Amino acid sequence: DVKVTQSSRYLVKRTGEKVFLECVQDMDHENMFWYRQDPGLGLRLIYFSYDVKMKEKGDIPEGYSVSREKKERFSLILESASTNQTSMYLCASSLPGTGGSGYTFGSGTRLTVV
Amino acid sequence: EDQVTQSPEALRLQEGESSSLNCSYTVSGLRGLFWYRQDPGKGPEFLFTLYSAGEEKEKERLKATLTKKESFLHITAPKPEDSATYLCAVLTFDDYKLSFGAGTTVTVRA
Repeated sequence: DVKVTQSSRYLVKRTGEKVFLECVQDMDHENMFWYRQDPGLGLRLIYFSYDVKMKEKGDIPEGYSVSREKKERFSLILESASTNQTSMYLCASSLPGTGGSGYTFGSGTRLTVV
Repeated sequence: EDQVTQSPEALRLQEGESSSLNCSYTVSGLRGLFWYRQDPGKGPEFLFTLYSAGEEKEKERLKATLTKKESFLHITAPKPEDSATYLCAVLTFDDYKLSFGAGTTVTVRA
């Protein structure tokens, strides 16, 4: 069964901490994505990557950075966590051009910043 | 700018009461329209992809249809286990990123 695995289901961090969210996929997908999901706002794209060491900003990159050193791993970094970054974070992957079934999503990480 | 709008935001149904969810889109060139189901606290799961107007796809009690401006997800005789948030997303020919709607949360009461 193909999978996108996010390292933590729930995280609680303090304001100002540096936070790492990890995502690993086992499908040999080129494209990987990070979204945040908030009630009433839907999924908003933070960053995406279409190849190792490549990254592009999405719609809301401020306060975030990413790292993709290996094809299967895409990390989201909150440089200095703030309370307005409390959210559900979703990682996804896809084939080039996205493919017939679109994205495969991880189970999400519920991050609370206090 | 691509736009995807889902309605209604929330839908409460009695078990067995059929209904439809709407996804309207404004894009420059549609390559595919995707439907996902999302259970609380989990990531979205793929349901259907539709590529051209007139296309229909079915899975159990769900049927998705596509026109040139919108897609419908019909839920026939729903059961409580159909309760979830349903997301639609579009993919265009000039981009490989999906644009998502905000979703419709469906609650089916026994």
